[in-house]
Amino acid sequence: ETGVTQSPTHLIKTRGQQVTLRCSSQSGHNTVSWYQQALGQGPQFIFQYYREEENGRGNFPPRFSGLQFPNYSSELNVNALELDDSALYLCASSRTSGTNEQFFGPGTRLTVL
Amino acid sequence: ILNVEQSPQSLHVQEGDSTNFTCSFPSSNFYALHWYRWETAKSPEALFVMTLNGDEKKKGRISATLNTKEGYSYLYIKGSQPEDSATYLCAFVTGNQFYFGTGTSLTVIP
Repeated sequence: ETGVTQSPTHLIKTRGQQVTLRCSSQSGHNTVSWYQQALGQGPQFIFQYYREEENGRGNFPPRFSGLQFPNYSSELNVNALELDDSALYLCASSRTSGTNEQFFGPGTRLTVL
Repeated sequence: ILNVEQSPQSLHVQEGDSTNFTCSFPSSNFYALHWYRWETAKSPEALFVMTLNGDEKKKGRISATLNTKEGYSYLYIKGSQPEDSATYLCAFVTGNQFYFGTGTSLTVIP
């Protein structure tokens, strides 16, 4: 069983640029959630995708958007990067609902200069 | 903004000691409560998913209890070992949204 993978591992961007982060879900999982973890905080829920549709969203502006593909892999896109977007971005896959445990990837460390 | 609090923020215990920490969450609109262990340089790993008031879960030396009416969950580690050193996170689930606490950092001293 293949675990959750994320790419890239690290990324450096400048303010105003756009970034795309990628996540491959674990085999058999149809739900992917994205989180932002800033220094000293717990992971903040960005959104969740279930069967290619957004299925819940946290308190993040529209410049944070996502996609889920037919193979249930997912992308997180962030437009007009700001310095405060510097964080660890985690994705997690699960079988459907919040009553199922999530399996996390290793994260992408984004630095915005 | 929904508040999930964990205490203590950090904890140092001697090998062999038992310890516990707390996760506090809103007592309304409860769907599930997750516990995760996050070791340095690794991915968070699910420990428990708890859905029913009064639920108790156990995995080896680690156990958890849940009180949804008063909005808290306890995580217990019996006979702590150095490999238990990690950050322990709880996540309150309501609808399709997850709210994590800031975690309890546990260091077990050999």
